[in-house]
Amino acid sequence: ILNVEQSPQSLHVQEGDSTNFTCSFPSSNFYALHWYRWETAKSPEALFVMTLNGDEKKKGRISATLNTKEGYSYLYIKGSQPEDSATYLCAFLSGNTPLVFGKGTRLSVIA
Amino acid sequence: GAVVSQHPSWVICKSGTSVKIECRSLDFQATTMFWYRQFPKQSLMLMATSNEGSKATYEQGVEKDKFLINHASLTLSTLTVTSAHPEDSSFYICSVPSGATNTGELFFGEGSRLTVL
Repeated sequence: ILNVEQSPQSLHVQEGDSTNFTCSFPSSNFYALHWYRWETAKSPEALFVMTLNGDEKKKGRISATLNTKEGYSYLYIKGSQPEDSATYLCAFLSGNTPLVFGKGTRLSVIA
Repeated sequence: GAVVSQHPSWVICKSGTSVKIECRSLDFQATTMFWYRQFPKQSLMLMATSNEGSKATYEQGVEKDKFLINHASLTLSTLTVTSAHPEDSSFYICSVPSGATNTGELFFGEGSRLTVL
């Protein structure tokens, strides 16, 4: 069974603080790594889909890096805002299994 | 991007009854839809892959006779929880592959929370 670990499970930050969290995944048979943002009572929405080792993607204040050789990805949020409060899911896609999700990191940004 | 609509958002039912959840792809035709389940403090777990015009593919440990999936059209898949019991209480969410690339990106519905009394 493939294991995708996310840490921390939850965190609270002050508005304006920058933060980051981690996704660990198997380093073998890598195909893609996804990050989704899931706000309460809404649908999860894809933030990034990363496929290449060393990939670094950015969308506004949010960015992500990927290390497929050691099996981890970081998600960074610069200058957190209350609207960034959500659960951030990562998901690992290998060559021969369906997408496997982590449990998510629940971020609360306090104004 | 695609919009996926799921209904109902909440459902409470008595033990032994059946519950149907609908998942609609509003923006494009979907030959494949995925059904996930999430128990409290757990990750989204794939239950089954719904295939338009053919039988669904179930993941190991998911009872196909209990979780009936019908994908009769390119825009609608339904999940029926038959003879529901309290242990079936969970959050059920469907998704549709974006189709833009082969990287597996998904569009999700809003999810349905089932409570079985």
